[in-house]
Amino acid sequence: AQKVTQAQTEISVVEKEDVTLDCVYETRDTTYYLFWYKQPPSGELVFLIRRNSFDEQNEISGRYSWNFQKSTSSFNFTITASQVVDSAVYFCALSEASGTYKYIFGTGTRLKVLA
Amino acid sequence: EADIYQTPRYLVIGTGKKITLECSQTMGHDKMYWYQQDPGMELHLIHYSYGVNSTEKGDLSSESTVSRIRTEHFPLTLESARPSHTSQYLCASSEYLAGVTGELFFGEGSRLTVL
Repeated sequence: AQKVTQAQTEISVVEKEDVTLDCVYETRDTTYYLFWYKQPPSGELVFLIRRNSFDEQNEISGRYSWNFQKSTSSFNFTITASQVVDSAVYFCALSEASGTYKYIFGTGTRLKVLA
Repeated sequence: EADIYQTPRYLVIGTGKKITLECSQTMGHDKMYWYQQDPGMELHLIHYSYGVNSTEKGDLSSESTVSRIRTEHFPLTLESARPSHTSQYLCASSEYLAGVTGELFFGEGSRLTVL
């Protein structure tokens, strides 16, 4: 069965600090996709990144970076030099390539960036 | 910009009323989903569809029903609303092309309050 665990319920940082959000997943499939979404206070879900299981290269996009490690089944998300606008709930999600086409979300991590 | 639309955005109704939450997408996606979410909390998959005339129940039991008569339209119906149905309902769609799972595109959500 597929499962996504985001153990950090809430994180508070001061502006300009770096912060890492953890995501650990479980799947029996060899082909799968991992995602990160941001949900700001306005409520909409904003897609941030998709990564397939065969691509373990880390990715950087501006202040955002992602570290995918199959050996530890983790797909962690780091925000460098955090800003108040980064305050949101962040969700990690998993979709297996075979079978049901379901996307399973973690419970989310609420990030508060204080000015 | 994702082309997926939900109406109504906000709905306040009395117990026992029948309601339909509308969801439409113009991207031609086969896969569509309904998630239930209390604000800032975990997303629970309640229904999904592989395509026209296909609907499946999600991981969270729900008294709602769905239909998929047209590719672009995936409405959710509650025959008799109760206060326990008060929540935000998020519709999403995705593309599965050449064996690659795409990201979920989300609507802005329908926030339902049952008095």
